[in-house]
Amino acid sequence: SQQGEEDPQALSIQEGENATMNCSYKTSINNLQWYRQNSGRGLVHLILIRSNEREKHSGRLRVTLDTSKKSSSLLITASRAADTASYFCATEYAGGTSYGKLTFGQGTILTVHP
Amino acid sequence: DGGITQSPKYLFRKEGQNVTLSCEQNLNHDAMYWYRQDPGQGLRLIYYSQIVNDFQKGDIAEGYSVSREKKESFPLTVTSAQKNPTAFYLCASSIGNEQYFGPGTRLTVT
Repeated sequence: SQQGEEDPQALSIQEGENATMNCSYKTSINNLQWYRQNSGRGLVHLILIRSNEREKHSGRLRVTLDTSKKSSSLLITASRAADTASYFCATEYAGGTSYGKLTFGQGTILTVHP
Repeated sequence: DGGITQSPKYLFRKEGQNVTLSCEQNLNHDAMYWYRQDPGQGLRLIYYSQIVNDFQKGDIAEGYSVSREKKESFPLTVTSAQKNPTAFYLCASSIGNEQYFGPGTRLTVT
């Protein structure tokens, strides 16, 4: 399976602290994306990093990508209670006719306590 | 108001019955996808379609069928051949790399 793995599976922090989630994958990729899911809802796209990029920022989000280690991390700075959700990484496989097809990780459940 | 709609939000069926889940988008996206999510798990791809009248099997297509007769619509049928149909089903569409998701349908089969 190409499915990635995320750790930790669950993360509990206090408001104002930073949250770091990690994602590992198995194959060469075109890009890696992070999505957020509130309980029982659809996913929302957060940020995309291409295979030739090493770091990307969007507001309080910082994503890094290390293609040599096949890993990525998502950092949420100055977390808020509203950041409580599940976070998933997804990779687009580089090769074949898989354009647009994503493989999702298992997710990290983030709980931010007020 | 653009977006993806899935209906119904909750669906209950008896074992042995086929059931069709609706997915409609007005984003003018070419590609559409169906995923299954089980408790505490990530998403697994069932079927995807990159263009009207064409679709491909994903990683767990057995027991499911789809059609793509219109750009806006990509219905998923869960057949009686699917051994464990109870799950949360998510539909998505894309025009580039980013996927846009619907709110999901929670299917319970007893």
